[in-house]
Amino acid sequence: DAKTTQPTSMDCAEGRAANLPCNHSTISGNEYVYWYRQIHSQGPQYIIHGLKNNETNEMASLIITEDRKSSTLILPHATLRDTAVYYCIVSQTGANNLFFGTGTRLTVIP
Amino acid sequence: NAGVMQNPRHLVRRRGQEARLRCSPMKGHSHVYWYRQLPEEGLKFMVYLQKENIIDESGMPKERFSAEFPKEGPSILRIQQVVRGDSAAYFCASSRATPGQGNYGYTFGSGTRLTVV
Repeated sequence: DAKTTQPTSMDCAEGRAANLPCNHSTISGNEYVYWYRQIHSQGPQYIIHGLKNNETNEMASLIITEDRKSSTLILPHATLRDTAVYYCIVSQTGANNLFFGTGTRLTVIP
Repeated sequence: NAGVMQNPRHLVRRRGQEARLRCSPMKGHSHVYWYRQLPEEGLKFMVYLQKENIIDESGMPKERFSAEFPKEGPSILRIQQVVRGDSAAYFCASSRATPGQGNYGYTFGSGTRLTVV
């Protein structure tokens, strides 16, 4: 079951940073935070993951609070192609799969 | 290094027929997961397999659905006697280890869109 809560939807202007929040207040010490996105009709795409430290890759940055109870995915310069549903997932210790909740539907506006 | 390959991309079956969906995991990945996505809904876990073993099928309907991942060849999701409610996108993912073991996420395929007419 879901261990995360995300806003249902968000808009972002093209070229601006998109900041997608996620709450995971019951996260355990050895559980990772994963972010995936699903562009319409496509398979989910891995974006980034982290444990404690902030992470950055070519797609995005992940900021995890010091108490690890929440995180923010940052797309630094959103484009129209970033319009998608973004899923924040906590990997549960001993789990055999990742639970995809309802995610945040991000719409990038021209 | 090819990603997760699923075929066919689109599959149309009449009610009562069988549907076979295939998934070849990424090279080096021995864990395969099947997810189903009904129209306008989220991804739902169905089954997790390793080579020749079903590890977790808690999300798979007890009737008509089966999955295998043989020693050689792709993983197969089989749906017998399909009904209209089986129409959905079926996604396969693979990984080096389970997410619960820590630092491993999934790589997804592009999915098979099953339409039952």
